[in-house]
Amino acid sequence: SAVISQKPSRDICQRGTSLTIQCQVDSQVTMMFWYRQQPGQSLTLIATANQGSEATYESGFVIDKFPISRPNLTFSTLTVSNMSPEDSSIYLCSARGLQETQYFGPGTRLLVL
Amino acid sequence: AQSVTQLDSHVSVSEGTPVLLRCNYSSSYSPSLFWYVQHPNKGLQLLLKYTSAATLVKGINGFEAEFKKSETSFHLTKPSAHMSDAAEYFCVVSGTYQKVTFGTGTKLQVIP
Repeated sequence: SAVISQKPSRDICQRGTSLTIQCQVDSQVTMMFWYRQQPGQSLTLIATANQGSEATYESGFVIDKFPISRPNLTFSTLTVSNMSPEDSSIYLCSARGLQETQYFGPGTRLLVL
Repeated sequence: AQSVTQLDSHVSVSEGTPVLLRCNYSSSYSPSLFWYVQHPNKGLQLLLKYTSAATLVKGINGFEAEFKKSETSFHLTKPSAHMSDAAEYFCVVSGTYQKVTFGTGTKLQVIP
């Protein structure tokens, strides 16, 4: 199994600012993902983080708003740019290894005022 | 295309009684299926997974699920609910191109 840590665990931000969330996996994984979970809802995939190249974004999500980096196999960052209150959500990092099981970080709880 | 439907958004059971959380899926590929649990203000924890081996899958905390291809179902059960089982449960399918699709979740309430 993989253990995933995220920093920060929560933050309160002012509108118009940006926040970068870090994700660290304790073992080598094949794929890393970023999800959003809005209050009372299920998870929505934002993008697949690709090592050394641009992330693959899902419909409705764009690089300018959610830039993602993955400089190596076990680390990724998600930036939420030019935030508005609608961006208040839980952001989860996820990783998948060779066994196909997907593991999740504890999430970053973001509140934008 | 693939999809997953959790048939109940809320389930309420008394402590000590059986739990049944229902999940139906569709996938054009032989799917892998998972159940995750999310306790309040916590991350997602894997309960169990089905990946084309035994159709009855046993997970943690006494949960199990049965893969029924003819019914395209993967219902989660537990013989006796405990107060600590109160949480939200997500059924997940991984199929075509390893794309993962989440269900909308079922909130389980356990009444003392």
